[in-house]
Amino acid sequence: EPEVTQTPSHQVTQMGQEVILRCVPISNHLYFYWYRQILGQKVEFLVSFYNNEISEKSEIFDDQFSVERPDGSNFTLKIRSTKLEDSAMYFCASSVYRRAMNTEAFFGQGTRLTVV
Amino acid sequence: RKEVEQDPGPFNVPEGATVAFNCTYSNSASQSFFWYRQDCRKEPKLLMSVYSSGNEDGRFTAQLNRASQYISLLIRDSKLSDSATYLCVVNYPGRRALTFGSGTRLQVQP
Repeated sequence: EPEVTQTPSHQVTQMGQEVILRCVPISNHLYFYWYRQILGQKVEFLVSFYNNEISEKSEIFDDQFSVERPDGSNFTLKIRSTKLEDSAMYFCASSVYRRAMNTEAFFGQGTRLTVV
Repeated sequence: RKEVEQDPGPFNVPEGATVAFNCTYSNSASQSFFWYRQDCRKEPKLLMSVYSSGNEDGRFTAQLNRASQYISLLIRDSKLSDSATYLCVVNYPGRRALTFGSGTRLQVQP
């Protein structure tokens, strides 16, 4: 069964450092997403990406964050200067494109980011 | 009012029991509805989409009540492996982002 894969599974970084989280979405999916979940809290939307550009973002996704699809398979989330409050589980997700309706998303296993 | 509201639980039930979860959503224009399951420190996994006519998948039944803006999930004949957090998820028209509830924790006991 096709799945979304994320690397690394766990990343520890010092405050102020840049991190890049990587994802390989399901191959025939055209919409890609990043979500995050702070420990003990709900899953929160960060950004969606379609046709090589951001299609939607939340207020969490500020100038510290950026996304990129550097090649035909990878989808990355960069945090430029990490803060303690960026510590969370980051989930990548993808979905097929359907013209007239929104569809379910399939999630990767997550990257646990710890900022120290 | 929270966009998607769920009873956090936990629901502690014996094996074989039937358990029901409800979820309410605030935006009446919401378009798509899902139940996801999340095990501790794992990713959300799609359990089922929720259709207006209601739908069933084995032991799981989902219902949507648009007039009252709530969604339900019924689990029959609970198994130990059903122990998890169940996430109610809503999609608003014109948006791809999913809005998650905080989840309802289920613990099935032997």
